[in-house]
Amino acid sequence: AQSVTQPDIHITVSEGASLELRCNYSYGATPYLFWYVQSPGQGLQLLLKYFSGDTLVQGFKGFEAEFKRSQSSFNLRKPSVHWSDAAEYFCAVAKEGSGSQGNLIFGKGTKLSVKP
Amino acid sequence: GAGVSQSPSNKVTEKGKDVELRCDPISGHTALYWYRQSLGQGLEFLIYFQGNSAPDKSGLPSDRFSAERTGGSVSTLTIQRTQQEDSAVYLCASSFGPLPYEQYFGPGTRLTVT
Repeated sequence: AQSVTQPDIHITVSEGASLELRCNYSYGATPYLFWYVQSPGQGLQLLLKYFSGDTLVQGFKGFEAEFKRSQSSFNLRKPSVHWSDAAEYFCAVAKEGSGSQGNLIFGKGTKLSVKP
Repeated sequence: GAGVSQSPSNKVTEKGKDVELRCDPISGHTALYWYRQSLGQGLEFLIYFQGNSAPDKSGLPSDRFSAERTGGSVSTLTIQRTQQEDSAVYLCASSFGPLPYEQYFGPGTRLTVT
């Protein structure tokens, strides 16, 4: 069965430090991959997505993610974290199979805390 | 324009009662999804509507759960005979269509079953 693993439940980084959030997936074909952010009291918002083409994708707020097929990974990175980045981050893959495209399978999330 | 709206924002109900959760998608969006976010389970897909096609109900956890979408717009998720394990945040999302269109999520309904 398809799955998404986010091995880090909680990460704390200092403001200005670099960040990498890990995501591994299981999928038979070329996946559609997503990163969502959920800020306290707010809904899920799409950060970035990978469908095909360039394996390094850019999102808003300075985030980027790299698709590595050989490692089944889609890690999220940011070179310099801001205090406003504190939130929960979810990696997701679209469920394969005709008739169900668009249904997302989510990882359990990584909560990011930012130290001043 | 307005985003996805959900009502109520919070619902407390007694075990065994039925509840209805409402989702108003973004105007013009033909696809509508329901997800459940609970502690320990993360985000789970429940059901997917696309236009006039038969919905994909493969994520509904039991026959106590049902959903409908009237007129291709508003959707209602109904949970019958609620159980404590149904306590969760129920999220609705809509998009212009299936992939590659982006899903826009509503703020969710927090359901607490006592």
